[in-house]
Amino acid sequence: QKEVEQNSGPLSVPEGAIASLNCTYSDRGSQSFFWYRQYSGKSPELIMFIYSNGDKEDGRFTAQLNKASQYVSLLIRDSQPSDSATYLCAVNFYNFNKFYFGSGTKLNVKP
Amino acid sequence: KAGVTQTPRYLIKTRGQQVTLSCSPISGHRSVSWYQQTPGQGLQFLFEYFSETQRNKGNFPGRFSGRQFSNSRSEMNVSTLELGDSALYLCASSSRGADEQYFGPGTRLTVT
Repeated sequence: QKEVEQNSGPLSVPEGAIASLNCTYSDRGSQSFFWYRQYSGKSPELIMFIYSNGDKEDGRFTAQLNKASQYVSLLIRDSQPSDSATYLCAVNFYNFNKFYFGSGTKLNVKP
Repeated sequence: KAGVTQTPRYLIKTRGQQVTLSCSPISGHRSVSWYQQTPGQGLQFLFEYFSETQRNKGNFPGRFSGRQFSNSRSEMNVSTLELGDSALYLCASSSRGADEQYFGPGTRLTVT
């Protein structure tokens, strides 16, 4: 089992809809969680990070963390075509002192 | 605040050669991590340096090495290049290592 798993997609949503991206992880002790957006040919860009159970909102983005169920999700409200990209979930397991990345979910927002 | 910079941005090498890539982290960041990204394997962790010490290493052969200088700038070296080393090499910096990482633009390495 991989440490961090994501559905590769593509996930297609119409413009203006809510896009929901999910990520599950293996329990390796204390963790912190991150969402990155990567456009084709570009480097990953940090969107959100979350350390505690619950929701964290930043503009159109909401990160949700449920440690009991070992999943973290990213909601994108009012999706725009410019949101079309690959979204990477990353987990830092403090005991291992390194980041584990999921393989990414490709999101297509259709005008 | 300036972001993470990487040089060179593009590189073409032939098999058997060696290459050195450079990364300058965000000012004040002491942790630098290196990753290899390929279409088939995704983001693969190479190693992480903090205050000139390698704290962690991924599952790559010894041909891949790195170092960090006192100003936190980091270099990675790949010796005896193979075709399979063609990839986007990314470095990311963070203040402590366990907190949020910020990526540089990457170095696109092509081995022919």
